[in-house]
Amino acid sequence: QSALTQPASVSGSPGQSITISCTGTSSDIGAYNYVSWYQQYPGKAPKLMIYDVSNRPSGLSNRFSGSKSGNTASLTISGLQAEDEADYYCLSYASGSTVVFGGGTKLTVL
Amino acid sequence: QLQLQESGPGLVKPSETLSLTCTVSRGSVSSTGYFWGWVRQPPGKGLEWIGTIYYRGATYYNPSLKSRFTMSVDTSKDQFSLKVTSVTAADTAVYYCAAVNIVSTIGVYNWFDPWGQGTLVTVSS
Repeated sequence: QSALTQPASVSGSPGQSITISCTGTSSDIGAYNYVSWYQQYPGKAPKLMIYDVSNRPSGLSNRFSGSKSGNTASLTISGLQAEDEADYYCLSYASGSTVVFGGGTKLTVL
Repeated sequence: QLQLQESGPGLVKPSETLSLTCTVSRGSVSSTGYFWGWVRQPPGKGLEWIGTIYYRGATYYNPSLKSRFTMSVDTSKDQFSLKVTSVTAADTAVYYCAAVNIVSTIGVYNWFDPWGQGTLVTVSS
């Protein structure tokens, strides 16, 4: 079971939009619409930001959106804010009743 | 709002067995709406899924880790647990427990929320 592939880092200026990609295989992202995204601040637990590819939990800012094409899922953050600086992880359900995380992406707000 | 809290020893010696417990509050570990999961994060590294368990006993493990890890549920205490045998320094990590949303009780689940705050386990003599 290999980790999903995310860029190690992305950056953007306040107000801009950024996109984090998450690439898997036909056994995970490509096979199921069960991709979720998590935000993690240093020393804190991960927080669910997106589930089932593109759904936001209640109360979450609509600046966060998700999508999927083939074996690649994406998280887009629009109107970037300083508070968005954090690590982001994707997670996908996979065959065999397993799940697999991406390696994580560090977002820097310039 | 469901709450989860991990508890564990903090420090474990190499080759010993690590035991962690996650206590569920404001809800029940016997809920038919959740599986329960364990995730760990070595210092400075990414998240690694360990396994997922249903209160009726069904378990799903990361195939890369399976042999040393065992999960269980204690419905009388609203707790679920993780045991790791023969620990080494590579098992040093923050261990998180989380509620896992069920799509189907035959082993389909889609997201982890909420999470416990995490507990740091250090393996050292």
